[in-house]
Amino acid sequence: GQGVEQPAKLMSVEGTFARVNCTYSTSGFNGLSWYQQREGQAPVFLSYVVLDGLKDSGHFSTFLSRSNGYSYLLLTELQIKDSASYLCAVNYNQGKLIFGQGTKLSIKP
Amino acid sequence: GPKVLQIPSHQIIDMGQMVTLNCDPVSNHLYFYWYKQILGQQMEFLVNFYNGKVMEKSKLFKDQFSVERPDGSYFTLKIQPTALEDSAVYFCASSPGLGVYEQYFGPGTRLTVL
Repeated sequence: GQGVEQPAKLMSVEGTFARVNCTYSTSGFNGLSWYQQREGQAPVFLSYVVLDGLKDSGHFSTFLSRSNGYSYLLLTELQIKDSASYLCAVNYNQGKLIFGQGTKLSIKP
Repeated sequence: GPKVLQIPSHQIIDMGQMVTLNCDPVSNHLYFYWYKQILGQQMEFLVNFYNGKVMEKSKLFKDQFSVERPDGSYFTLKIQPTALEDSAVYFCASSPGLGVYEQYFGPGTRLTVL
């Protein structure tokens, strides 16, 4: 099936980093997107990856390993305002996104 | 960045009534999507739409659901009749193409069925 898994919660400290993991079933894989979603708001696009390796976009970086069905979103130099849910979504076939449950990131001072 | 608009932001209706959710996608986008998110749960794909046709729909897209975009106006999701389990936030999204293109999401319509 087309399953996307991510941990429900993650905690970190301001000024450090956080890594949000995502695993997915590889059948029909056509790319992976990361979104940020705040309570009661729309998901905001952060990054799209389709090739293996690390894609460095400054504050947000993303890693993909297609053979392992694994990705992570890395946030560096965390700020309190980075507290939000981070959604992993896999593009399958006709462009539909299959979302994980989201990882709620809490950042402490 | 590109904006997707949704009207209304909230809708409260009685079970069995019809409801139409409206989406104004990004102007040059060609592919349109509806997703459903029940409070506290994950976002779930409902349907995607291109060139006047449904390309793919999930098992959540019941027979009571329909989508259309008449004459390039709003992309709509109609539910007729509504059921209690249809209460959720419905997000519209659009993209310029398939696959490699990011999907831009609207702010959602919170539907409450009583």
